[in-house]
This record gives sequence, C-alpha cells and structure tokens, in this order.
Amino acid sequence: AQTVTQSQPEMSVQEAETVTLSCTYDTSESDYYLFWYKQPPSRQMILVIRQEAYKQQNATENRFSVNFQKAAKSFSLKISDSQLGDAAMYFCAYRGSGGSNYKLTFGKGTLLTVNP
Amino acid sequence: GAVVSQHPSWVICKSGTSVKIECRSLDFQATTMFWYRQFPKQSLMLMATSNEGSKATYEQGVEKDKFLINHASLTLSTLTVTSAHPEDSSFYICSATDRGHRRDEQYFGPGTRLTVT
Repeated sequence: AQTVTQSQPEMSVQEAETVTLSCTYDTSESDYYLFWYKQPPSRQMILVIRQEAYKQQNATENRFSVNFQKAAKSFSLKISDSQLGDAAMYFCAYRGSGGSNYKLTFGKGTLLTVNP
Repeated sequence: GAVVSQHPSWVICKSGTSVKIECRSLDFQATTMFWYRQFPKQSLMLMATSNEGSKATYEQGVEKDKFLINHASLTLSTLTVTSAHPEDSSFYICSATDRGHRRDEQYFGPGTRLTVT
C-alpha cells in the first residue's frame, strides 16, 4: 500500500519570506500523480499544485513550486513571498495511475502559520 | 467550473436517528465520488468510493451498514449515517472526479459538520 509522510506537523514563516514543506511517499508504481492541497480554516480543500511522475520538470503555479525527486520519493512544496492568506493546513497526496477509482492517499498534514 | 456542493453544511441530530448528506457536482458529470471523514486537526480518511449506478466500495474498517452510500446519478451521491452515535460526530467531505476531463483530479465539496447529541 502507498503511504505519504509529512514529517513537519507545524511550520511558521514570516510574511514575504520563503518556506518549504516536506513530503515523502512510498510506492512500487512507476507512474502516479502527486498533489499538494491547502485547507484553510473554512475547511474547503483547495488544490495548490500537481505533478505527474512521468514529467521530469518540476511543476510551478505562481508563488508555489515543487521539488520532485522521483528516485528519492520526495515531493516538497516551496511557497515564495509568503502571504497571510497562505496560512492553512497543507496536505500532500498521492494517486496511482492504475484502476478506475482514482483514490487519493493523504499525508497527515502540515499546519503553516504566517507571521506578519 | 468543477464545483461540488454539499448539503447540509452542518447538522445536529439525536443519538439513534439517521441523517443524510448530499453531494452534488454542479457543472460536470462525476464518474466517481468519494466520501471522507476528518477529525479535528487530522487528515482526511477515505471512507468509500462510489461509482454511478453501482455499489460503493468501502475502505477497510468502515461499516457499510452504518454508512450507506448511494450514487444514483452522475451528479448526486448521498451518505446516510444510520443510527448515529456521538462517536460519529465528525466533518464529512465528498469529492468527485470529472468524467472525460482531467479525470485524475478530485474536486472537493465544502464539507458537512455532523454533531450527534
């Protein structure tokens, strides 16, 4: 079974600074997808960024970028120029490419605090 | 686009009663819908996967007779918590995948907070 590990239960960053959230995963599959989701206090899950394992290029979405290391099974999220609105719980998630159910496996999450 | 709604957003029920939660895809047809449970300050735990017109697939440890899932159409799935008890109090989230378009992405509803007294 696939597992996703987020080793940082909490992180804090100063506004306008950069922070990196860690995520590692375990899988025997060669093709899969990785995601970072944000869950603010409203508890609405918001997709931040996604990465296809077959793509070597790291995904970027504005201030959000990932460092995807397939051999190391590592998928970290970098948030640049942090804003107060970035404060939230961040979940790393894995999805295999096989089957028809498209199940997501989530890590335990990292609570990010942004200090003004 | 790709909006998922849930109703109700919060519900309080008495122990022993049943409560139904609806999950709707508003602007797309959902091949598959997922139901999650989330306890405070914890991650999402997948309860079951439902495909339109077929029986739901439950995760290990989830009581299928207690958490009834019906996916009657491509835009609606329901979760019924039967004979609810205080330990069923939780935040329930549904998600859906978009048939034929970025099928690997799940779109999440806003969640339903259930409190059983």
